[in-house]
Amino acid sequence: DIVMTQSPSSLAVSAGDKVTMSCKSSQSLFSSEYQGNYLSWFQQKPGQSPKLLISLASTRETGVPDRFIGSGSGTDFTLTINSVQAEDLAVYYCEQYYSYPPTFGAGTKLELK
Amino acid sequence: QIQLVQSGPELKKPGESVKISCKASGYTFTNYGMYWVKQAPGQGLQYMGWINTETGKPTYADDFKGRFVFFLETSASTAYLQINNLKNEDMATYFCARYGEIPGDYWGQGVMVTVSS
Repeated sequence: DIVMTQSPSSLAVSAGDKVTMSCKSSQSLFSSEYQGNYLSWFQQKPGQSPKLLISLASTRETGVPDRFIGSGSGTDFTLTINSVQAEDLAVYYCEQYYSYPPTFGAGTKLELK
Repeated sequence: QIQLVQSGPELKKPGESVKISCKASGYTFTNYGMYWVKQAPGQGLQYMGWINTETGKPTYADDFKGRFVFFLETSASTAYLQINNLKNEDMATYFCARYGEIPGDYWGQGVMVTVSS
């Protein structure tokens, strides 16, 4: 199975900060056949189910604010949140779907400073 | 709109069984698979496996072979997770999620299963 490693495990932020979090995979998630990286980012707020924010490493889902930016390729990926808002406090998970079974990282928890 | 609505919380004793439902609406049920995810209290997301909604064939992740069963009621656009011989370590929230080209584009609200004697 592909191992997904997220860092940091938690991040203390203030409203308006720019935040970056990392997700590394144990093997490349890039498909040369389809020319894409098979990685998603999810946001999970307390008591809620995960919400898909970004797929294919950098494609925002409909309705996701443009302050959320996914980047990276191969084995190294980043989720950047420009100007964090209070409503962004949550746990963020990356997930690879390049190979079966899909695997999740352990998450990065965004907390208020 | 697309929705996955799961059944309510469950309180069970060790050794009992539990059946969790996930009713899909707003899309053609058999066009997308369904996968199941376990989240233990305060922990991350663990993929349990998926079921092909066209054929009914389940596939289980290694940690979920044996006591866990995925099945369908296709006429009702509903997927089920049954856990047999419940153990304390099964205490968790269980999510269903749609499994298409982009896994997890829609999720159910989750079902909390409490196991206590």
